[in-house]
Amino acid sequence: KQEVTQIPAALSVPEGENLVLNCSFTDSAIYNLQWFRQDPGKGLTSLLLIQSSQREQTSGRLNASLDKSSGRSTLYIAASQPGDSATYLCAVTLTGRRALTFGSGTRLQVQP
Amino acid sequence: DAMVIQNPRYQVTQFGKPVTLSCSQTLNHNVMYWYQQKSSQAPKLLFHYYDKDFNNEADTPDNFQSRRPNTSFCFLDIRSPGLGDAAMYLCATSRAAGSYEQYFGPGTRLTVT
Repeated sequence: KQEVTQIPAALSVPEGENLVLNCSFTDSAIYNLQWFRQDPGKGLTSLLLIQSSQREQTSGRLNASLDKSSGRSTLYIAASQPGDSATYLCAVTLTGRRALTFGSGTRLQVQP
Repeated sequence: DAMVIQNPRYQVTQFGKPVTLSCSQTLNHNVMYWYQQKSSQAPKLLFHYYDKDFNNEADTPDNFQSRRPNTSFCFLDIRSPGLGDAAMYLCATSRAAGSYEQYFGPGTRLTVT
């Protein structure tokens, strides 16, 4: 059974700092990995999608990497801002499945 | 431009009183999903439709059912809500299954009194 783990569960950093969020998964047979943002009481906003054949994706200040062989992904946020405060979830689509398997998220607080 | 729309955003129902949550999409995607997310937990898939083909997760309670009358709309019916069913319900779509990105709606927060 695919398990997705995110470390740390919570993170507080001062504004302007670069930071890395970690995601690990137990089964490397995946179609893709997605990173989402969730604000309190809200739905999910897709940030980046990495296909299994790709190593990284970039969007603005965000960069996500994927190392399928080791079952790891990182989300790098450059020059963090208070508006980045949210919970960040990673999720994988296991080969042969249609649904996403989610991690429990990292709750990020960026202090002004 | 809203692509995945959920109504209502907040729903309060009484214990045991049937409730229906609605999802619509403007993306013309083939696949629609319903996820349940309880407080501070990861979203968990309840079921999904691939076109008209309904796919239930093995551990989804019988209390939860779904309808997809056309490509654009999908409904989640909870026949007899219990206190444990209070959660955020998230609808998502994707163009096809497998390697395609999933797009989520804003969610419906269900409270059971």
